[in-house]
Amino acid sequence: DGGITQSPKYLFRKEGQNVTLSCEQNLNHDAMYWYRQDPGQGLRLIYYSQIVNDFQKGDIAEGYSVSREKKESFPLTVTSAQKNPTAFYLCASSLLPQGMKTYEQYFGPGTRLTVT
Amino acid sequence: AQKITQTQPGMFVQEKEAVTLDCTYDTSDPSYGLFWYKQPSSGEMIFLIYQGSYDQQNATEGRYSLNFQKARKSANLVISASQLGDSAMYFCAMREVKAAGNKLTFGGGTRVLVKP
Repeated sequence: DGGITQSPKYLFRKEGQNVTLSCEQNLNHDAMYWYRQDPGQGLRLIYYSQIVNDFQKGDIAEGYSVSREKKESFPLTVTSAQKNPTAFYLCASSLLPQGMKTYEQYFGPGTRLTVT
Repeated sequence: AQKITQTQPGMFVQEKEAVTLDCTYDTSDPSYGLFWYKQPSSGEMIFLIYQGSYDQQNATEGRYSLNFQKARKSANLVISASQLGDSAMYFCAMREVKAAGNKLTFGGGTRVLVKP
């Protein structure tokens, strides 16, 4: 089955530790994204990537880092510099837009990170 | 200024009735796309429907239709014949063609609870 996997579903860490969230897709999509969702709120873009070995900051990139060494994988590291890391993290992928043609983003099941 | 505004934080709807979820947007880009996603309690984001700014017809997908009023910058989602499984958060999102990548900006969401 084609789709996006994120693991683990729940993650607990102590304050001051870096943690890496995985995201893998087998949809052959060029573009991948990381979003953060806080309780009762919408999604905010952390980072996105349109091609291997290239990525751009989104609206709330501070305290996060990413890599895109393979087309299928886009891991997100939440560093100790992130002030409020406890949140729900969603990974997504899509085909690249072609002119005005836009494609929907497909989402993974998410990882709920709790930092204490 | 908010680019996507969803003014209804929550609403109840009787099973088998229709419900309209409001979404207004703000952009100076003449080319854009509007999306609606459903987020059940499990957390994954499910794509429902898409409307392009130049589309002549309002989008429809099964029980979902989009009431697109370009001059008023609104893109309301109509769910007909509500089912218990429609209970979820619903998010409106926009992609501006001039923006780099295929980035989506999300609204704050509307929680829908379908009553039997």
